[in-house]
Amino acid sequence: QKEVEQDPGPLSVPEGAIVSLNCTYSNSAFQYFMWYRQYSRKGPELLMYTYSSGNKEDGRFTAQVDKSSKYISLFIRDSQPSDSATYLCAMSEVGGGTSYGKLTFGQGTILTVHP
Amino acid sequence: SQTIHQWPATLVQPVGSPLSLECTVEGTSNPNLYWYRQAAGRGLQLLFYSVGIGQISSEVPQNLSASRPQDRQFILSSKKLLLSDSGFYLCAWSLSGPRLFFGSGTQLSVL
Repeated sequence: QKEVEQDPGPLSVPEGAIVSLNCTYSNSAFQYFMWYRQYSRKGPELLMYTYSSGNKEDGRFTAQVDKSSKYISLFIRDSQPSDSATYLCAMSEVGGGTSYGKLTFGQGTILTVHP
Repeated sequence: SQTIHQWPATLVQPVGSPLSLECTVEGTSNPNLYWYRQAAGRGLQLLFYSVGIGQISSEVPQNLSASRPQDRQFILSSKKLLLSDSGFYLCAWSLSGPRLFFGSGTQLSVL
């Protein structure tokens, strides 16, 4: 079993739809949870990160963490064609310093938002 | 502001040839530096990380090595490339928090 499981999709939605992206994990030591967006042939860019359980909102993006279920989600409201990309979930254990950068990634979900 | 430079963007190398990928960070001091690899259809895998000059930690045994000759320079090397070394290589940096910043990546094809 992989430490982090992410449905690779692909996921295709019409413009304006609400998108739900999800990851499950098995390592209960994970405390930081992140979502990255990656355009083709580019490096990932950090969208959001949360610590422990709870919700965090940033514009059209909402991240949710349910540690009891070992399940995290990213919601995109009013999706736009420019949101078309691969979305990667990532997690790390608490420890400070390089521990933050020692991320375990999901394999990514390919999202296409069509006009 | 901080920027990270990674080159080359694309590289095609024959099996058995050497490799050197370079990454530099500007606008910050004493960053933590990382090399990740992304194989087709798979998530990113951490290869090496460094907390300072000359300090390298390896996460997986492999045909690659890393060096940090200067504070903001990180180099990924191989003496003899294998077919399995093909992939998208990403350099990244962080400071004290969980925000990890990636370079633009190098697509390596070993033929």
